[in-house]
Amino acid sequence: IVLTQSPGTLSLSPGERATLSCRASQSVDKNYLAWYQHKPGQAPRLLIFGASTRASGIPDRFSGSGSGTDFALTISRLEPEDFAVYYCQQYRRAPPLFTFGPGTKVEI
Amino acid sequence: QVHLQGSGPRLVKPSETLSLTCTVSGYSTSSSYYWGWIRQAPGKGLEWIGSLFHSGSTYFNSSLKSRVSISLDTSKTQLSLNLTSVTAADTALYYCACSTGWSYFDYWGQATLVTVSS
Repeated sequence: IVLTQSPGTLSLSPGERATLSCRASQSVDKNYLAWYQHKPGQAPRLLIFGASTRASGIPDRFSGSGSGTDFALTISRLEPEDFAVYYCQQYRRAPPLFTFGPGTKVEI
Repeated sequence: QVHLQGSGPRLVKPSETLSLTCTVSGYSTSSSYYWGWIRQAPGKGLEWIGSLFHSGSTYFNSSLKSRVSISLDTSKTQLSLNLTSVTAADTALYYCACSTGWSYFDYWGQATLVTVSS
């Protein structure tokens, strides 16, 4: 399964809404779609798993949605610390395989 | 709270074997955890290298399968990655990670910079 993320770069201002897209080349079990935030010099941070479940400690301005081949990550109101690269990731059960999308950079 | 600590930066010569370790702590050895290695080449995105399931089974990215091995020592405190016959294309930041839900990685160690150069 190939994951495509769009746009490649999203230029927004603090307070604005960000919608990031992740499209799969084949249908993905929504239970196995995750989103990560990655900042330079830091380890990636799990935001969303199961397509829409926020990970522990993740603010509720982050939300995930979608099913089948189309998924989205929405940041309702951008905070200064939200400017980063965001990756979607899918998991295939048999045999186990993890695939990351190419990422969307959210910049000021 | 699971904590992962990667080893320091490495300089490896082409054709040699890269060996990385990651010290893991703060988890219950009686619970099911899934371990993984992910890397990021310069200017590129994240690439899954492989995973070690709590069952002991290992699974690898098909592009690396012939060169990679992952293991957890008997004390279950050292996660290891071995990558043979390295080339400049293996230059990257390498992350160790842990999954409590098997299909995502919820705990990550800090990156280890690996440079392949003669």
